[in-house]
Amino acid sequence: DAKTTQPNSMESNEEEPVHLPCNHSTISGTDYIHWYRQLPSQGPEYVIHGLTSNVNNRMASLAIAEDRKSSTLILHRATLRDAAVYYCILVRQQGAQKLVFGQGTRLTINP
Amino acid sequence: GAVVSQHPSWVICKSGTSVKIECRSLDFQATTMFWYRQFPKQSLMLMATSNEGSKATYEQGVEKDKFLINHASLTLSTLTVTSAHPEDSSFYICSASTRGLGGYTFGSGTRLTVV
Repeated sequence: DAKTTQPNSMESNEEEPVHLPCNHSTISGTDYIHWYRQLPSQGPEYVIHGLTSNVNNRMASLAIAEDRKSSTLILHRATLRDAAVYYCILVRQQGAQKLVFGQGTRLTINP
Repeated sequence: GAVVSQHPSWVICKSGTSVKIECRSLDFQATTMFWYRQFPKQSLMLMATSNEGSKATYEQGVEKDKFLINHASLTLSTLTVTSAHPEDSSFYICSASTRGLGGYTFGSGTRLTVV
């Protein structure tokens, strides 16, 4: 499975944008980039995913580098409820489709 | 959106007993479900892939006789922790692929404490 690298932790202020980076230099052409987040004592929650083009949804935006070796999850206006561990995961288009979690980025939001 | 219901949310059991955790997909059919375990301050570790109507595929190092997985229908997978010991105390989470909708949906998790 192709690996991803994320900073262990990040901190931001409420109502400011947050850019969470993810490096995936060994990504293959059929790997989708998925982002999930996990609040304390809860199961992970799907945030967004993409393949090549940038993606937007009601929760966040995903910016994918042209060479696909890195991506950035963008929270446009962070709230205290966005404090969580964010996981960037590559998902092979074919195969067992299992998600392999890395350590993720623990995001702290300051009021 | 897709919902995965996991029960119980927490359970305390005595050492040596067995505990069953249920994972249901409420509004979609899940031919494949996944079971994870998470220890405090650690990431999720995949235990096994559960396939409807067939045997589960276990990750290396996970004892199949201790963690029994049954996926008898398209909406229900169960994980039974047999002869539980204190070291099995953990947060167990299931998930299902909603590939038609793009992502994976996770249950809310089960906190197992073995005393």
